[in-house]
Formats: sequence, C-alpha cells, structure tokens
Amino acid sequence: GESVGLHLPTLSVQEGDNSIINCAYSNSASDYFIWYKQESGKGPQFIIDIRSNMDKRQGQRVTVLLNKTVKHLSLQIAATQPGDSAVYFCAESGDFGNEKLTFGTGTRLTIIP
Amino acid sequence: DTEVTQTPKHLVMGMTNKKSLKCEQHMGHRAMYWYKQKAKKPPELMFVYSYEKLSINESVPSRFSPECPNSSLLNLHLHALQPEDSALYLCASSQAGTGSSYEQYFGPGTRLTVT
Repeated sequence: GESVGLHLPTLSVQEGDNSIINCAYSNSASDYFIWYKQESGKGPQFIIDIRSNMDKRQGQRVTVLLNKTVKHLSLQIAATQPGDSAVYFCAESGDFGNEKLTFGTGTRLTIIP
Repeated sequence: DTEVTQTPKHLVMGMTNKKSLKCEQHMGHRAMYWYKQKAKKPPELMFVYSYEKLSINESVPSRFSPECPNSSLLNLHLHALQPEDSALYLCASSQAGTGSSYEQYFGPGTRLTVT
C-alpha cells in the first residue's frame, strides 16, 4: 500500500545551523508533495510544495528537494531560529488531481539556543 | 484573507450528546476537508467536499455526519460519540478542480473531549 514515512522522528539543531528533514514515499505515481509545520496547539501551516515535474523549489529560508528515482523528499531550513521548533509533516497526493493528502508520521524539530 | 476559522476551540461532550463543529473560509476555495488528529500522530482524512458535494468519505462511522451548507461553510455533526473519538478535529480548504492538486490551508482545530 501507499505510505509516506520519515527517516527520523526527532531532530535537534543548534540555532543558526541548517536543518534537513527527510521523507520517503512509496507511491511512484505521487504527483504533488507538501511540507507542513505544526506548532503545539495549532493546525498545520503550509510551508512549501513541489510537483513531480520539478526536483527543487526554494522559498524563504526553505528548500524542498525531490528525488523521484529513490522516492525521497527533503526539507532544508536555513539558519534555523527558535520559532522553527515544531513538528514537520510531509504529505503527498497520490494521483494527479486527487484531493486526498496522505501525511507522513512527522519529525519533531527542536532548536537548541 | 488566508484564514480558516473553526469553532469552538474546545468542546467537552458526553456520549449521549449531540454537538456540531463549524468551519468557515473566505478564500473562494471550493474544496473543504475534515481531518482527525490524535496526539503525536499525523492528521487523518475523514471527509472531502468538492463544490459542496461529498466526494470522499474515508469509511468514517455514521456518528460523524458532515454538512456543507454553502461554499464557505463546513459543519461536522457529532452524535453518540465514544471516548476514543477524543482528538483534535481539523478543517482545511483548498482550490478544487480536475487536473491538479493544491495546497490545503488548515484551521486551528477543535479540541474534542468525549466523556
């Protein structure tokens, strides 16, 4: 069956360093991928997305890399700040135009001052 | 306005009660979603409405009844819930249409406790 998984459940990073959060997916037909950030007591917040016809996309301090050969997705956060502490979820939409998102298990990112 | 609002923020209900959760967005989105999230777990899709019609029901028990009165509003009616239904209920919205997927914007959620 389809699954979206994360390599590491927790990640601690020194403030100012770069963070990399990884995600594996198993459905080769996955077309659309999203990263969400969820802070305690809040709903998931959209960070960045990427479609399967791209391998890299950059936002403000964030970059998403997609490797379709090995079905791997990563989120890079540059110059991490205390406000980046949260749980990060990757999610994928299995088919083109499918409104159903499947979420990965999540990685808790902790920024060490 | 990129906000999805949900009311109430917190809800405590007994197993014999009937209550409703409400969600509203004014982004012109035509797809709206209900998710359930247990502690330390990812959101799990429950229902999807597309153009005010139910398009996906992820085999959710009938004690959860969704309703989409118009393109801006989404309700979740609750009846005869079980303690294991206690969770954070998240509403989301996105653009709708065939041929592409779009980012979903989430509300802050309703923290539901069933006693």
